[in-house]
Amino acid sequence: GAVVSQHPSRVICKSGTSVKIECRSLDFQATTMFWYRQFPKQSLMLMATSNEGSKATYEQGVEKDKFLINHASLTLSTLTVTSAHPEDSSFYICSARTSAGADQPQHFGDGTRLSIL
Amino acid sequence: AQKVTQAQTEISVVEKEDVTLDCVYETRDTTYYLFWYKQPPSGELVFLIRRNSFDEQNEISGRYSWNFQKSTSSFNFTITASQVVDSAVYFCALSSRGISNNLFFGTGTRLTVIP
Repeated sequence: GAVVSQHPSRVICKSGTSVKIECRSLDFQATTMFWYRQFPKQSLMLMATSNEGSKATYEQGVEKDKFLINHASLTLSTLTVTSAHPEDSSFYICSARTSAGADQPQHFGDGTRLSIL
Repeated sequence: AQKVTQAQTEISVVEKEDVTLDCVYETRDTTYYLFWYKQPPSGELVFLIRRNSFDEQNEISGRYSWNFQKSTSSFNFTITASQVVDSAVYFCALSSRGISNNLFFGTGTRLTVIP
């Protein structure tokens, strides 16, 4: 149980393109979804937290107009990297949690490796 | 403020050896939760264990065991009889009740098990 699907797993595109990444909880309803960014050989950096039906909460330093997050349903959240540039190249990982409680583990997707040429 | 420290950046062991991954945390909250995740080369994070701050019982699951000690703010992870499939990056993480219920990750320990 607690499967999170993330799509696509890899994206290579030209600078200036907008890229949408989907995160779906397959067998549970996710009250809260999270988006992380991970640079090579580094830890996960939380970008934003989204709750179904409300605006995402962005971490300090993350541009909300650059990284658009939509949590339209209890099973789907999307991250759109708008007008992507080479510095946006990274590994993006989503996670989902069944409730807002801090005691609940986050279940992670397989990640999306984004490469901007 | 929440902080998780994994001082060991990389560890290499020979197959069948035991290995302990260290995790030290800081929090002002009295109720908090500790987690371990495994990230194999393929990239996905796999949830391994959750521990509540009010439950200091150690836990064993197969070859995995966890030692939680509030007195030293540590939550160490031991793999016995390591196998090549254990090679991965292991992250310790902390969350607590409060304004933010987010996970705070350590920097991870890269474990390489040599056949």
